[in-house]
Amino acid sequence: GENVEQHPSTLSVQEGDSAVIKCTYSDSASNYFPWYKQELGKGPQLIIDIRSNVGEKKDQRIAVTLNKTAKHFSLHITETQPEDSAVYFCAASRGNAGGTSYGKLTFGQGTILTVHP
Amino acid sequence: DGGITQSPKYLFRKEGQNVTLSCEQNLNHDAMYWYRQDPGQGLRLIYYSQIVNDFQKGDIAEGYSVSREKKESFPLTVTSAQKNPTAFYLCASKAGGRATSIQYFGAGTRLSVL
Repeated sequence: GENVEQHPSTLSVQEGDSAVIKCTYSDSASNYFPWYKQELGKGPQLIIDIRSNVGEKKDQRIAVTLNKTAKHFSLHITETQPEDSAVYFCAASRGNAGGTSYGKLTFGQGTILTVHP
Repeated sequence: DGGITQSPKYLFRKEGQNVTLSCEQNLNHDAMYWYRQDPGQGLRLIYYSQIVNDFQKGDIAEGYSVSREKKESFPLTVTSAQKNPTAFYLCASKAGGRATSIQYFGAGTRLSVL
């Protein structure tokens, strides 16, 4: 089955700096890669996602890059703010490929991001 | 939390007791999921359901059971066979078809053992 490794486990930055979180995956058939942000005591919320037919996607201060050959993808947050402090999870799936793995997400271990004012 | 309601927010289980966690969604989504989250770990899939009256085991199904009698409801029962049930449980749902793979999560239920 799919295995997703996420690094680093903790990341501390100063407000205004950039933050980068990296993930690797094992299943070459994975074609959908979402990133979730989880605040304390709440459920994860999708912040950005990317499909295997593109290499990069941006949404304001957040960007995700995908290298299918190397099987890794990264989250980039620029101009970090204290409200960006949370746990971030990457995930991988075969999307809507059907079969018994339909829509199944495999998550990384999470990164605790702390942005210091 | 986008139309997915989990209850209760906190739940305590006594030794040998079965407890049921509720998950209701009003998003008209076909697929629903249950995840377990332990400190310092990612989310692990317990069970998922693609359509009503059908569900599949995930990676850690032992000691858990589910039902999917209605499209909007996917309750999870933590049985006495689950020896380490203390965790944060998250329910998610997703629209069917090929339009999207986005899973939306509820706010979670924190289960503790008395």
